[in-house]
Amino acid sequence: EDQVTQSPEALRLQEGESSSLNCSYTVSGLRGLFWYRQDPGKGPEFLFTLYSAGEEKEKERLKATLTKKESFLHITAPKPEDSATYLCAVQAEKDDKIIFGKGTRLHILP
Amino acid sequence: KAGVTQTPRYLIKTRGQQVTLSCSPISGHRSVSWYQQTPGQGLQFLFEYFSETQRNKGNFPGRFSGRQFSNSRSEMNVSTLELGDSALYLCASKVTNWDNEQFFGPGTRLTVL
Repeated sequence: EDQVTQSPEALRLQEGESSSLNCSYTVSGLRGLFWYRQDPGKGPEFLFTLYSAGEEKEKERLKATLTKKESFLHITAPKPEDSATYLCAVQAEKDDKIIFGKGTRLHILP
Repeated sequence: KAGVTQTPRYLIKTRGQQVTLSCSPISGHRSVSWYQQTPGQGLQFLFEYFSETQRNKGNFPGRFSGRQFSNSRSEMNVSTLELGDSALYLCASKVTNWDNEQFFGPGTRLTVL
């Protein structure tokens, strides 16, 4: 069964303290892996799509990487405005369905 | 460019009633997907429409249905509401069904009493 597991469930960091969020996935044929950011009371905001192992993408303080079994979202020198829930999702080749993980709630303390 | 809009934003219903939620995609987007988000289960895929045709469906009972109109606007309907249907219902649009970047609306918060 295709599934996505994110860890940790919640993470509190001091401003400037770099860390990584993990997304482990099991899918029979990966069409793409996505990262989203979701603020309270809002819909998810698209961040990145990764397609194959070894691929990396960056945006400001965020960098996403992909292996055959997991993806990491690295946050470098985070700021309080980076506080949000970060969601990982995979799209399977066989049926194009998109499966989301339950997210990591990130809180950056000033 | 206007984003994805969903109406209503909040809704309170009682068990056994039915509800219809509406989604207007970004102009030019022809694919619309619906998701249910709850604290326990996270974001779960309901269905996807492209050019008025349902092209994919998640594992939800038949009480959940949807449709898409010729202008790409979409509606989803839930009949015989249950307490467990209380959730945030999110709509996402993209240009085509094979596109990867989805844009989400703010959601409709449904509470079933």
